[in-house]
Amino acid sequence: NAGVTQTPKFRVLKTGQSMTLLCAQDMNHEYMYWYRQDPGMGLRLIHYSVGEGTTAKGEVPDGYNVSRLKKQNFLLGLESAAPSQTSVYFCASSYGGFGEQFFGPGTRLTVL
Amino acid sequence: AQRVTQPEKLLSVFKGAPVELKCNYSYSGSPELFWYVQYSRQRLQLLLRHISRESIKGFTADLNKGETSFHLKKPFAQEEDSAMYYCALMAPGFQKLVFGTGTRLLVSP
Repeated sequence: NAGVTQTPKFRVLKTGQSMTLLCAQDMNHEYMYWYRQDPGMGLRLIHYSVGEGTTAKGEVPDGYNVSRLKKQNFLLGLESAAPSQTSVYFCASSYGGFGEQFFGPGTRLTVL
Repeated sequence: AQRVTQPEKLLSVFKGAPVELKCNYSYSGSPELFWYVQYSRQRLQLLLRHISRESIKGFTADLNKGETSFHLKKPFAQEEDSAMYYCALMAPGFQKLVFGTGTRLLVSP
């Protein structure tokens, strides 16, 4: 099992460009999450999903959109990237709402 | 509101010394609490959760509801314990974790 994978690993964008980060899990988990990790801020929840076709806002959702068209995939989109979105993005999944969350390796995004 | 506070950004100890990483939370009910760890160049992973009452890699954490704390302890630190440690809280019915800002533990030889 690959667990949770993220694509791409690194990306540099210019302000205003758009991109999509892909998270995939092969553990048949219902719940999936997107976090951003910034120095001194810890991990902050952007959006999450409790099942295929559902999404919900987390703590810092502005500037991001998500989709969960397939159970195993959770996409995070940036429509118009801003320097404030420079961060490391982590995806996670869990079987249930109270279960252990399994994390991906992260995507390092720089917005110039 | 749910909040997790880790007051120390960096904790530096020598090998063999005791370690205590502090975690305080604010939540009026009975949350579930976790410690996650991120070793260098590895992904974040669960270290322990209070409900399981386990000792993992020599670490333990006791939930103190009176002090709303969930400090992580190890009696004798090892160099391989050097990592970033995050305390996290999940409130019943909320289906999501709230993380603290993390404490970097550095264990020197």
